[in-house]
Amino acid sequence: DGGITQSPKYLFRKEGQNVTLSCEQNLNHDAMYWYRQDPGQGLRLIYYSQIVNDFQKGDIAEGYSVSREKKESFPLTVTSAQKNPTAFYLCASSIVGQNNQPQHFGDGTRLSIL
Amino acid sequence: GESVGLHLPTLSVQEGDNSIINCAYSNSASDYFIWYKQESGKGPQFIIDIRSNMDKRQGQRVTVLLNKTVKHLSLQIAATQPGDSAVYFCAERKRDTGRRALTFGSGTRLQVQP
Repeated sequence: DGGITQSPKYLFRKEGQNVTLSCEQNLNHDAMYWYRQDPGQGLRLIYYSQIVNDFQKGDIAEGYSVSREKKESFPLTVTSAQKNPTAFYLCASSIVGQNNQPQHFGDGTRLSIL
Repeated sequence: GESVGLHLPTLSVQEGDNSIINCAYSNSASDYFIWYKQESGKGPQFIIDIRSNMDKRQGQRVTVLLNKTVKHLSLQIAATQPGDSAVYFCAERKRDTGRRALTFGSGTRLQVQP
């Protein structure tokens, strides 16, 4: 079945460590997104990419980095500069070229600090 | 700043009753709205969407109403079932920003009592 796969489901980070969250989609979607969700809150946009080899900062990009070398993959690195990384991270994708298409989400990665 | 406003309340309904979840948005430039359902530990699941040139859209057991005059969006769930228990988010996309990412509200928890 087509979908979005995020891994790992749980991830722990030590002080000063960078960690990378994986997001893969086989929906043939051009656009991909990373959101952060804190308890009891909605989703906030970290980065998005509408085409391979191009990406844009979202509302809370500081302390994060991304790459988009392949259409199906959009990994997110949480760097040591992100001082409050504990959250639920969600990856999404959508079709580009048609104005009104919903985003489809993976099942998230929960990141915690050791 | 402008945002989709949904202060996280909890709506408790009896199984079989109809549920109405409300969302107030403040950005008059938004042209597309989506309702998502999120179960614990999972990513948001698309329920229904509506364009700003529509007032109402129906799906299976769900109806979305859009009142642009007062910037209000609602989700109606008919014959609510225990499986409908989840957090529901509304999301909007601003017109002509070139950015297809969504702005999310903080969610409403729906509890269905058997």
